[in-house]
Amino acid sequence: ILNVEQSPQSLHVQEGDSTNFTCSFPSSNFYALHWYRWETAKSPEALFVMTLNGDEKKKGRISATLNTKEGYSYLYIKGSQPEDSATYLCASVNAGNMLTFGGGTRLMVKP
Amino acid sequence: GAVVSQHPSRVICKSGTSVKIECRSLDFQATTMFWYRQFPKQSLMLMATSNEGSKATYEQGVEKDKFLINHASLTLSTLTVTSAHPEDSSFYICSAARGSLNEQFFGPGTRLTVL
Repeated sequence: ILNVEQSPQSLHVQEGDSTNFTCSFPSSNFYALHWYRWETAKSPEALFVMTLNGDEKKKGRISATLNTKEGYSYLYIKGSQPEDSATYLCASVNAGNMLTFGGGTRLMVKP
Repeated sequence: GAVVSQHPSRVICKSGTSVKIECRSLDFQATTMFWYRQFPKQSLMLMATSNEGSKATYEQGVEKDKFLINHASLTLSTLTVTSAHPEDSSFYICSAARGSLNEQFFGPGTRLTVL
Protein backbone atom coordinates (compact mmCIF):
# COMPACT_ATOMS: atom_id res chain seq x y z
CA ILE A 1 0.00 0.00 0.00
CA LEU A 2 1.56 3.28 -1.08
CA ASN A 3 -1.17 5.62 0.14
CA VAL A 4 -3.34 5.87 3.19
CA GLU A 5 -6.77 4.48 2.40
CA GLN A 6 -9.93 4.59 4.43
CA SER A 7 -13.06 2.54 4.00
CA PRO A 8 -15.89 2.91 3.66
CA GLN A 9 -16.01 6.43 2.24
CA SER A 10 -19.34 7.04 3.89
CA LEU A 11 -21.54 5.23 6.30
CA HIS A 12 -25.13 5.71 7.48
CA VAL A 13 -26.10 4.07 10.76
CA GLN A 14 -29.05 4.25 13.09
CA GLU A 15 -28.73 5.76 16.54
CA GLY A 16 -27.64 3.06 18.96
CA ASP A 17 -25.83 0.96 16.35
CA SER A 18 -22.19 0.14 16.84
CA THR A 19 -19.94 0.67 13.86
CA ASN A 20 -16.34 0.47 12.72
CA PHE A 21 -14.21 1.59 9.84
CA THR A 22 -10.74 0.94 8.53
CA CYS A 23 -7.56 2.85 7.80
CA SER A 24 -4.87 1.10 5.72
CA PHE A 25 -1.39 2.53 5.57
CA PRO A 26 2.11 1.59 4.40
CA SER A 27 3.59 -0.75 7.00
CA SER A 28 7.18 -0.09 5.99
CA ASN A 29 8.90 2.86 7.64
CA PHE A 30 5.92 3.35 9.94
CA TYR A 31 6.20 5.74 12.88
CA ALA A 32 2.74 6.73 14.10
CA LEU A 33 -0.93 6.60 13.19
CA HIS A 34 -3.33 9.42 14.03
CA TRP A 35 -7.12 9.47 14.10
CA TYR A 36 -9.01 12.76 13.84
CA ARG A 37 -12.66 13.68 14.07
CA TRP A 38 -13.78 16.44 11.72
CA GLU A 39 -17.19 17.96 12.19
CA THR A 40 -18.66 20.21 9.54
CA ALA A 41 -17.63 23.85 9.94
CA LYS A 42 -15.06 22.99 12.63
CA SER A 43 -11.39 22.10 12.48
CA PRO A 44 -10.27 18.48 12.84
CA GLU A 45 -9.80 17.34 16.41
CA ALA A 46 -7.27 14.72 17.47
CA LEU A 47 -8.76 11.48 18.81
CA PHE A 48 -5.85 9.10 19.11
CA VAL A 49 -2.16 8.83 18.33
CA MET A 50 -0.83 5.27 18.24
CA THR A 51 2.62 3.90 17.60
CA LEU A 52 2.96 0.31 18.80
CA ASN A 53 1.69 -2.82 17.12
CA GLY A 54 -1.30 -4.07 19.08
CA ASP A 55 -1.99 -0.65 20.60
CA GLU A 56 -5.55 -0.15 21.64
CA LYS A 57 -6.87 3.22 22.76
CA LYS A 58 -10.24 4.27 24.06
CA LYS A 59 -12.04 7.56 24.61
CA GLY A 60 -15.59 7.17 25.83
CA ARG A 61 -17.53 5.14 23.27
CA ILE A 62 -14.78 5.42 20.65
CA SER A 63 -11.83 3.06 20.49
CA ALA A 64 -9.10 2.24 18.01
CA THR A 65 -6.70 -0.61 17.37
CA LEU A 66 -3.44 -0.72 15.47
CA ASN A 67 -1.69 -3.42 13.46
CA THR A 68 1.61 -2.07 12.20
CA LYS A 69 2.76 -5.34 10.64
CA GLU A 70 -0.10 -5.55 8.21
CA GLY A 71 -0.70 -1.81 8.06
CA TYR A 72 -4.21 -1.21 9.30
CA SER A 73 -6.11 0.46 12.09
CA TYR A 74 -9.76 0.10 13.05
CA LEU A 75 -11.88 2.78 14.66
CA TYR A 76 -14.91 1.54 16.60
CA ILE A 77 -17.87 3.54 17.84
CA LYS A 78 -20.15 1.80 20.31
CA GLY A 79 -23.80 2.85 20.47
CA SER A 80 -23.55 5.64 17.87
CA GLN A 81 -25.25 8.92 18.67
CA PRO A 82 -26.25 11.71 16.25
CA GLU A 83 -23.46 13.86 17.67
CA ASP A 84 -20.97 11.28 16.42
CA SER A 85 -21.81 12.35 12.87
CA ALA A 86 -18.56 13.64 11.40
CA THR A 87 -15.76 12.72 9.04
CA TYR A 88 -13.17 10.51 10.67
CA LEU A 89 -9.69 10.99 9.24
CA CYS A 90 -6.63 8.88 9.79
CA ALA A 91 -3.10 10.01 9.05
CA SER A 92 0.05 7.96 8.88
CA VAL A 93 3.42 9.37 9.89
CA ASN A 94 6.51 7.61 8.59
CA ALA A 95 10.01 7.55 10.01
CA GLY A 96 10.92 10.48 7.78
CA ASN A 97 8.20 12.49 9.54
CA MET A 98 6.01 12.57 6.42
CA LEU A 99 2.36 12.87 7.25
CA THR A 100 -0.26 11.49 4.87
CA PHE A 101 -4.00 11.72 5.40
CA GLY A 102 -6.52 9.19 4.23
CA GLY A 103 -9.64 10.25 2.38
CA GLY A 104 -11.80 10.02 5.49
CA THR A 105 -14.94 8.11 6.39
CA ARG A 106 -18.03 10.25 6.58
CA LEU A 107 -20.33 8.92 9.29
CA MET A 108 -23.97 9.94 9.52
CA VAL A 109 -25.97 8.75 12.51
CA LYS A 110 -29.73 8.96 12.12
CA PRO A 111 -31.82 9.57 15.23
CA GLY B 1 -5.09 22.38 25.61
CA ALA B 2 -3.34 23.31 22.43
CA VAL B 3 -4.95 26.10 20.46
CA VAL B 4 -4.17 27.12 16.93
CA SER B 5 -5.67 30.23 15.42
CA GLN B 6 -5.95 31.20 11.79
CA HIS B 7 -6.59 34.62 10.31
CA PRO B 8 -8.55 35.66 8.38
CA SER B 9 -11.36 33.13 8.56
CA ARG B 10 -12.79 34.27 5.26
CA VAL B 11 -11.42 36.39 2.45
CA ILE B 12 -12.83 37.46 -0.90
CA CYS B 13 -10.43 39.05 -3.34
CA LYS B 14 -10.09 39.99 -6.97
CA SER B 15 -8.10 37.91 -9.39
CA GLY B 16 -4.45 38.94 -9.46
CA THR B 17 -4.18 40.06 -5.84
CA SER B 18 -2.11 38.33 -3.18
CA VAL B 19 -3.60 37.04 0.03
CA LYS B 20 -1.75 36.28 3.26
CA ILE B 21 -3.09 33.78 5.78
CA GLU B 22 -1.62 33.57 9.28
CA CYS B 23 -1.44 30.48 11.45
CA ARG B 24 -0.54 30.89 15.12
CA SER B 25 -0.02 28.39 17.91
CA LEU B 26 -1.36 30.28 20.91
CA ASP B 27 -0.18 28.26 23.88
CA PHE B 28 2.68 26.14 22.64
CA GLN B 29 5.70 26.43 20.42
CA ALA B 30 5.61 24.64 17.12
CA THR B 31 8.80 24.03 15.19
CA THR B 32 6.70 22.43 12.46
CA MET B 33 3.44 23.62 11.00
CA PHE B 34 1.53 22.20 8.07
CA TRP B 35 -0.61 23.81 5.42
CA TYR B 36 -3.50 21.93 3.81
CA ARG B 37 -6.04 22.61 1.18
CA GLN B 38 -9.45 21.03 1.02
CA PHE B 39 -11.24 20.68 -2.26
CA PRO B 40 -15.02 20.34 -2.15
CA LYS B 41 -16.15 16.94 -0.87
CA GLN B 42 -12.56 15.74 -0.57
CA SER B 43 -10.14 15.16 2.25
CA LEU B 44 -7.32 17.40 3.32
CA MET B 45 -4.45 17.65 0.89
CA LEU B 46 -1.10 18.46 2.43
CA MET B 47 0.45 21.38 0.57
CA ALA B 48 3.64 21.97 2.48
CA THR B 49 5.48 21.49 5.73
CA SER B 50 6.66 24.70 7.32
CA ASN B 51 9.78 24.53 9.47
CA GLU B 52 10.76 27.37 11.78
CA GLY B 53 13.86 29.10 10.56
CA SER B 54 14.22 27.17 7.33
CA LYS B 55 12.58 26.77 3.95
CA ALA B 56 9.26 25.02 3.66
CA THR B 57 9.02 21.57 2.11
CA TYR B 58 6.42 21.49 -0.63
CA GLU B 59 4.45 18.46 -1.73
CA GLN B 60 4.64 17.34 -5.31
CA GLY B 61 2.49 19.46 -7.58
CA VAL B 62 2.35 22.48 -5.27
CA GLU B 63 3.99 25.57 -6.77
CA LYS B 64 6.36 27.12 -4.25
CA ASP B 65 6.35 30.45 -6.06
CA LYS B 66 2.58 30.52 -5.98
CA PHE B 67 2.14 29.54 -2.35
CA LEU B 68 4.80 31.32 -0.31
CA ILE B 69 5.32 30.01 3.19
CA ASN B 70 7.20 31.76 5.94
CA HIS B 71 7.72 30.35 9.43
CA ALA B 72 9.39 33.28 11.11
CA SER B 73 8.88 32.26 14.73
CA LEU B 74 7.96 29.25 16.82
CA THR B 75 4.35 30.41 16.98
CA LEU B 76 3.66 31.86 13.55
CA SER B 77 3.58 30.55 10.01
CA THR B 78 2.14 32.45 7.07
CA LEU B 79 0.87 31.28 3.70
CA THR B 80 0.71 33.85 0.92
CA VAL B 81 -1.27 32.98 -2.18
CA THR B 82 0.37 35.16 -4.82
CA SER B 83 -1.52 36.48 -7.83
CA ALA B 84 -4.60 34.56 -6.84
CA HIS B 85 -6.91 33.16 -9.51
CA PRO B 86 -10.41 31.71 -9.24
CA GLU B 87 -9.00 28.16 -9.28
CA ASP B 88 -7.18 29.01 -6.03
CA SER B 89 -10.53 29.41 -4.30
CA SER B 90 -10.59 26.78 -1.60
CA PHE B 91 -10.54 26.10 2.10
CA TYR B 92 -7.03 26.42 3.52
CA ILE B 93 -6.29 24.98 6.92
CA CYS B 94 -3.11 24.89 8.96
CA SER B 95 -1.98 22.66 11.77
CA ALA B 96 0.81 22.84 14.29
CA ALA B 97 2.65 19.76 15.44
CA ARG B 98 3.31 19.11 19.09
CA GLY B 99 5.26 16.35 20.75
CA SER B 100 7.49 13.62 19.41
CA LEU B 101 4.58 11.89 17.71
CA ASN B 102 3.66 14.97 15.72
CA GLU B 103 0.14 15.22 17.05
CA GLN B 104 -1.64 17.80 14.94
CA PHE B 105 -3.67 20.68 16.28
CA PHE B 106 -5.66 22.38 13.57
CA GLY B 107 -6.62 25.96 12.99
CA PRO B 108 -10.21 26.80 12.11
CA GLY B 109 -9.39 27.29 8.44
CA THR B 110 -9.63 30.13 5.94
CA ARG B 111 -12.17 30.19 3.14
CA LEU B 112 -10.62 31.94 0.14
CA THR B 113 -12.82 33.09 -2.71
CA VAL B 114 -11.15 34.65 -5.73
CA LEU B 115 -13.48 36.52 -8.04
